[in-house]
This record gives sequence, structure tokens and C-alpha cells, in this order.
Amino acid sequence: DVQLVESGGGLVQPGGSLRLSCAASGFSLSTYWMSWVRQAPGKGLEWVANMRQDGGEIYYMDSVKGRLTISRDNAQNSVYLHMNNLRVEDTAVYFCARLVVVTGHYWYIDLWGRGTLVTVSS
Amino acid sequence: DIQMTQSPSSLSASVGDRVIITCRASQTLRNYLHWYQQKPGEAPRVLIVAASRLQSGVPSRFSGSASGTDFTLTISNLQPEDSATYYCQQSNRAPYFGGGTKVEI
Repeated sequence: DVQLVESGGGLVQPGGSLRLSCAASGFSLSTYWMSWVRQAPGKGLEWVANMRQDGGEIYYMDSVKGRLTISRDNAQNSVYLHMNNLRVEDTAVYFCARLVVVTGHYWYIDLWGRGTLVTVSS
Repeated sequence: DIQMTQSPSSLSASVGDRVIITCRASQTLRNYLHWYQQKPGEAPRVLIVAASRLQSGVPSRFSGSASGTDFTLTISNLQPEDSATYYCQQSNRAPYFGGGTKVEI
């Protein structure tokens, strides 16, 4: 089956760190841009980061720059989100997502994981 | 930034109704506007890309259109399984997603 499975979520104190993992199966990660999207409890979808196949282009939402880092290991067919200096407002379900990129400004998400919950609280 | 104003934020309709959801962009998008459906406890799934291209496996009662910076998702002949939250997403510039429309049946 073609799927993405996230792991690594949990409860962390403000200022703490966490690493989320996303394991891809049924397709080769190396041919796709990948993304992380989050959803705070009861709220809408919020894009977090995009990463090109070779890691040569990376984009972040402003409020996570310098704190969250997307990375990938194509050999392991995995994507990661390294989360440092976490804030209460980072509390959300984090979805790993596969992008279809037609051009630089024409992309959409064609595959989503089920998400992993990150709770930042003291 | 490009802001997407999605309306209404919620609606209630009956089986068989036609429902229209709108996203208005703060700038021109060149039709790079996509629609997703998310049911409670599930990941979203893409319904329509580039304003009007229905994705494989999506029922034909879903359709999309564009007029300038206004984009609409229409659900014709609403079905019980269409109860969900719908999001628009532009891909020109962050923050990308609209605020969502919850459809109750």
C-alpha cells in the first residue's frame, strides 16, 4: 500500500525538543517533494514546511523558522521534523504529506499520513 | 503573503441540496487553487486541483470553478457522507490554506 506513517509525537514541556518521523511505503520518497502540515486542536490546517527531493530547496512558515527543521533520508524512505524550543502554540497534530509539484507555484498534496499529536504543556 | 478568505465558516444543509463554498484570494493566483475534504479524525484528501480538475475517485457531484480571485467548490446532490470540513489551498505564497468550511447534514 502507498502510505505515510508518522511517529514521535507526545507531551513535551515548553522549550523542549522532539523529533517526528514519517515512514513512506509503497513508493520511492526520492522522487517527491515532501511537506509537514499541522492542525491545532479544533482548528484548521496550517502549512509548516516543504522540502525538495534532494533537500536543495526548503521553505518554512515564518513562526517556526529557526526552531523546526525538516530533513529527509531517501535511502531510509523517511522524512523528519526536528522540533526545538517548542512553544505552547506548537501544540497540534502534525501530518506528513507528499506533494505533487507541477511548477514552483503549482503544487498540491496528494497523500497524507494520519498524523501524530504533539502537546506542548507544562 | 496571500490571504485566503473562505466562506461560510460553517453551514447546515439537507441531503440532495446544492452547497457552494467560496474562497477569495487577496491576490491573483492563476487558478493554482485546490480543494480538500477532511472528515473528523481523518487526514484530508484532495478533491479538486487547479480550480476545476476533479481528482480520480472523487464523485462527480463535486465541482470547482474560478472567476478572477474568487473560487468556488460546489457539491451538488449533497450526500450524508459529504459531512466534513472543506479547505481551499493556494500554492503561490504562504500561508496557503483557507480557514475551512464545516458542512453539516
